[in-house]
Amino acid sequence: ETGVTQSPTHLIKTRGQQVTLRCSSQSGHNTVSWYQQALGQGPQFIFQYYREEENGRGNFPPRFSGLQFPNYSSELNVNALELDDSALYLCASSLNAGLAGLQYFGPGTRLTVT
Amino acid sequence: QQQVKQSPQSLIVQKGGISIINCAYENTAFDYFPWYQQFPGKGPALLIAIRPDVSEKKEGRFTISFNKSAKQFSLHIMDSQPGDSATYFCAASKTQGAQKLVFGQGTRLTINP
Repeated sequence: ETGVTQSPTHLIKTRGQQVTLRCSSQSGHNTVSWYQQALGQGPQFIFQYYREEENGRGNFPPRFSGLQFPNYSSELNVNALELDDSALYLCASSLNAGLAGLQYFGPGTRLTVT
Repeated sequence: QQQVKQSPQSLIVQKGGISIINCAYENTAFDYFPWYQQFPGKGPALLIAIRPDVSEKKEGRFTISFNKSAKQFSLHIMDSQPGDSATYFCAASKTQGAQKLVFGQGTRLTINP
């Protein structure tokens, strides 16, 4: 059984650019959640995808968008990057949308916006 | 406002001592309270979790104490070891609807040998 994987590990972008981050969920998990973790802070919920549909969204602007594919892998897209978007982006997968808290996190993608 | 407040921000404990981290929540609809452990360069890993129908849960050296009336819960690490040095996050969520985890701000725990 493979765990949650994310790519790339690190990324440097310029303000105004667009970025796509990728996540492969743990085998058998159909729900993926994305979190933003600023330095020294706890993760903040961005949104969740369940069976390819958005299943909840946190307090993030529309320039944060996502996708979930039939194999349950997921993408996080951020348009018009701002300096404050610099953070660790975490993906978490779970067996299904009804198992709150049983989320398994990947190692994250460190995004730096200059 | 769905908030979880965590304290202290940092904690230094001698090897073999007891580490205690506290959290308080506001939303009474929360019904699941996990603790996560995060090492540098890694994602958070689920350590232990509790539901509000019990006041205490113990797994090995880790214990969660839960006070529903005070809307507070805490993590106790007994016989703390240098390998326990990490950042700990409490979190809360509802089991209905999207599994949105609301995290505390984190506690950086250092265990001195």
